[in-house]
Amino acid sequence: AQSVTQPDIHITVSEGASLELRCNYSYGATPYLFWYVQSPGQGLQLLLKYFSGDTLVQGIKGFEAEFKRSQSSFNLRKPSVHWSDAAEYFCAVGAPNGAGTASKLTFGTGTRLQVTL
Amino acid sequence: EAQVTQNPRYLITVTGKKLTVTCSQNMNHEYMSWYRQDPGLGLRQIYYSMNVEVTDKGDVPEGYKVSRKEKRNFPLILESPSPNQTSLYFCASRPGQGFAGSNEKLFFGSGTQLSVL
Repeated sequence: AQSVTQPDIHITVSEGASLELRCNYSYGATPYLFWYVQSPGQGLQLLLKYFSGDTLVQGIKGFEAEFKRSQSSFNLRKPSVHWSDAAEYFCAVGAPNGAGTASKLTFGTGTRLQVTL
Repeated sequence: EAQVTQNPRYLITVTGKKLTVTCSQNMNHEYMSWYRQDPGLGLRQIYYSMNVEVTDKGDVPEGYKVSRKEKRNFPLILESPSPNQTSLYFCASRPGQGFAGSNEKLFFGSGTQLSVL
């Protein structure tokens, strides 16, 4: 069974500083990997995804993530954080089935990002 | 406007009183799913549906029922709610049955905050 670990419950960064949110997964092969963002009172929005190919993926809002198979990680990064990035971020893993798709998505426990001005 | 609509947004009820949380999507999506979000536990999948009349258990299905009689609707039923079902619930949908190609993005509703006294 797949699982996801987000070791940081809460992170505070200054506006303009760089950001890295950690995500480690457990799965026997290469999974499908996602980052979602949840703003207060809202549902989740997809930031970016990794299925295969280039291990550095670009997403919306200036975010990127790098898949590192050797470390079983998919960390989210942003070079310069804006105050509007304050939200909760969820990493998720989908286990591919034999048909090349994945029906089940497992979410991490989330990392709450606070941005100070 | 393409959206996933959940109702009600807030619900307070008492132990044992049957309730239904509705979920409707207007995007003709095949896949729909229910999640609950609890502090420190992230999002956990309750049930999902790959298509009309096809439903399956997620990670935490106990105490819940679902049905998928029409493509657009996927109600969550609590036959006899208990206080441990107090949570924030999200419905989500996506175009295809699996995560592949352009069909992998989950669209989330705005959530239903349920309190069981």
